This record gives sequence, structure tokens and C-alpha cells, in this order.
Amino acid sequence: KQEVTQIPAALSVPEGENLVLNCSFTDSAIYNLQWFRQDPGKGLTSLLLIQSSQREQTSGRLNASLDKSSGRSTLYIAASQPGDSATYLCAVSGLSNFGNEKLTFGTGTRLTIIP
Amino acid sequence: DGGITQSPKYLFRKEGQNVTLSCEQNLNHDAMYWYRQDPGQGLRLIYYSQIVNDFQKGDIAEGYSVSREKKESFPLTVTSAQKNPTAFYLCASSRYRVLVNEQFFGPGTRLTVL
Repeated sequence: KQEVTQIPAALSVPEGENLVLNCSFTDSAIYNLQWFRQDPGKGLTSLLLIQSSQREQTSGRLNASLDKSSGRSTLYIAASQPGDSATYLCAVSGLSNFGNEKLTFGTGTRLTIIP
Repeated sequence: DGGITQSPKYLFRKEGQNVTLSCEQNLNHDAMYWYRQDPGQGLRLIYYSQIVNDFQKGDIAEGYSVSREKKESFPLTVTSAQKNPTAFYLCASSRYRVLVNEQFFGPGTRLTVL
């Protein structure tokens, strides 16, 4: 059974700093990994999608890496801003025990950028 | 603007009542999904549909039902058989298969059982 872990559960950093969020998964047989952002009481916003054949993806100040063999992904945020404060979730896609396609989500890291 | 809409934003239900949550998308996506989010837990899949008139149970389908009569719409009914329905419900869609395509989410419906 796939399990996705995000540590730490919460993180506070001063504005302007670069930071890294971590995601680990137990089954390396994934098809892709997706990073999302969720603001309080809102839906999820897709940030980056990394296919299993890729090592990283970049969008603006965000860079996500994937090491499938070790079951790890990182989300790097450069020059953090107060607007980056949110909960960040990662999810991996794969097959369930019944052969169904599914995303398995981590519980997220709640990020607070201190002005 | 293309996107996913969910209604209502907040929903209150008395015990023993069935309620239906709406999800509509105009992204021309084939696949649609329903998730439940509880504090301290990751999103859990309730039902998903990869094509019109077809849907599959997810990890926690008991007490829920869905229909997919139109490509754009995937309503979720929370029945009285669901033991603990108070949660935040999220609808999502993807172009086709979740294995290779990015998944997009609606704004969510918060259901509270009184």
C-alpha cells in the first residue's frame, strides 16, 4: 500500500529565505508526482507535475525534484514571500491493489512566511 | 474561464437526511473524482469516473453514491448511511487518466451534520 509522508507538518521562515519542502513515498512504482497548494478553506491549486521519467520541473520561483528510486521529492521555493503562506501537499499516482488508478496524498506541510 | 465549480460552498444537514453536492467542469475533461478531506489526514478518494455512464468506488465509498450522466457533471450524494459525513469535500478532474495527467480541483464544499 502506497504511503506518502510530508515532514515537517508545519514550517515558519522569515520572508526572503529560500526553503525546501519534503515528500517521501514508500512504493517507487509511480507514474507521476504532483505538488499542490491549498489556502485555508479552499480547494487545491496544482503547482507542478513531474512525470516518473523526469528529474525536475520548474515554474517561476518553484522547483520540484523527483528521485523515484529513493522515494523522495522536494519542492524548493526561492525568495519566499508572505503570499507563499499556505499548506503544500504532494501526491503520487499509481495503481491500487485492485488495479485502479489513483492519487495518494500526503497530509501536507503548513508553511508560514514571516514578514 | 475554464474550471471546476462546486456548490454549495457550505452545507448543513440533519442526521438521517441525504444531501447532494454538485460538481461541474467546463474543461472538457473525461475523468472526474470526489475526495474527502479531514483535519490531519490526506485526501481520500470516494468515487471516480473515467467516462460518462461509468464510475468506480474509491477507498471510502460506503455511504456515498454518484452518477455520471453528462461529461460535465459528477454529483455526489451523501446518504444517511455515512456514519461521519462532516468533512470538506473536493471534486477534481483530469484530461483522461490520472496516471499521466494533471489533476485540477474545485473550491470544495464544507458539509456539517447538525
